[in-house]
Amino acid sequence: NAGVTQTPKFQVLKTGQSMTLQCAQDMNHNSMYWYRQDPGMGLRLIYYSASEGTTDKGEVPNGYNVSRLNKREFSLRLESAAPSQTSVYFCASSHPGGRELFFGEGSRLTVL
Amino acid sequence: AQKVTQAQTEISVVEKEDVTLDCVYETRDTTYYLFWYKQPPSGELVFLIRRNSFDEQNEISGRYSWNFQKSTSSFNFTITASQVVDSAVYFCALLSYHAGGTSYGKLTFGQGTILTVHP
Repeated sequence: NAGVTQTPKFQVLKTGQSMTLQCAQDMNHNSMYWYRQDPGMGLRLIYYSASEGTTDKGEVPNGYNVSRLNKREFSLRLESAAPSQTSVYFCASSHPGGRELFFGEGSRLTVL
Repeated sequence: AQKVTQAQTEISVVEKEDVTLDCVYETRDTTYYLFWYKQPPSGELVFLIRRNSFDEQNEISGRYSWNFQKSTSSFNFTITASQVVDSAVYFCALLSYHAGGTSYGKLTFGQGTILTVHP
């Protein structure tokens, strides 16, 4: 039982490159989320998916796109990476209502 | 709108000292949950506790204790007899439930408090 798995763990990009962060959960959760963590700012919600087939913007969605591929997988795409997107990204999942979130181990992205 | 404030950016203590991490929150909702997470140097987020807005009882778990006071909108976290392994970033977070719906797990995090425990 792996919980929430994110790939890759580390990535270095050049400005303008694109990439996709993958997230998968094996807990049969309906809801999934992408957060970013920046120093001194805690974690901020980028996008979330309340259930399969739906996605909604969070607090900081600009520059990102998401896909809820199926119930297990929720990917985050940077179409044209910018240095401001250098951050640690966390995927999380929860049952409907979200009274407890289960987090992945994080993905550290550096955009040069 | 929800807001969580952790006024202490960094705290440094010597092992065996007690330390309290402050958390103040803002929400207009009457139903909400408060959380504390620990982020050790390895980077993962470790869930510590969840309290709902209807339960103001303080909680103790080993060396950890939590003081929830709705009157002051605070949910403070105390580590008794701190240890070097307690060194981490600690986050307080709020989950509000809007009337007629759910929040879909949209946690609002505080800025985090970096705790360093020196031997």
